[in-house]
Amino acid sequence: TQLLEQSPQFLSIQEGENLTVYCNSSSVFSSLQWYRQEPGEGPVLLVTVVTGGEVKKLKRLTFQFGDARKDSSLHITAAQTGDTGLYLCAGARSSNTGKLIFGQGTTLQVKP
Amino acid sequence: GAVVSQHPSRVICKSGTSVKIECRSLDFQATTMFWYRQFPKQSLMLMATSNEGSKATYEQGVEKDKFLINHASLTLSTLTVTSAHPEDSSFYICSGQGVMDEQFFGPGTRLTVL
Repeated sequence: TQLLEQSPQFLSIQEGENLTVYCNSSSVFSSLQWYRQEPGEGPVLLVTVVTGGEVKKLKRLTFQFGDARKDSSLHITAAQTGDTGLYLCAGARSSNTGKLIFGQGTTLQVKP
Repeated sequence: GAVVSQHPSRVICKSGTSVKIECRSLDFQATTMFWYRQFPKQSLMLMATSNEGSKATYEQGVEKDKFLINHASLTLSTLTVTSAHPEDSSFYICSGQGVMDEQFFGPGTRLTVL
């Protein structure tokens, strides 16, 4: 059973387009992280959200944590070729002693 | 801050040999580190949780005698793949836990077993 459903799993868009990636769960998370990973490298932390309804912005990236802390979204405005990569959401549950539950990942390809 | 290194970045070995992978937190102390395995274009699969000074906790289906983990200090955890076989070929990634449950990942180790 996948506790954190991430969608879409694959996305190919043109440079300049907008996109949204979703992570949904029936479970409540104490915090949720978004990572970006390039081929052959480890994931890099983009943001951590901890408060229900929280919105964080990182340049053209907007992250939102659902009011009930069960879901999150990542919105990219005017995508660039440099945004290409694997995006991963991961939730922490207070009972899991630090373990993260990862979504399936979204492979984003931004074409010039 | 929060930099994690892994060594080696890439290793090729013969079937039956053992391979040790080191994971170091360079600018923070990581009481807890995690070891993951990742297949191409897939998400991370947690193998085990490594706690400094105690035995590692393995996820279901992961053989503890095959994947030996040692976390001898607050900045170093090692994963030894014993008697490696071609099916063990994969991308192995470690992470150190931050104060807000976030994890800081190493750059990964590509293991190829011939």
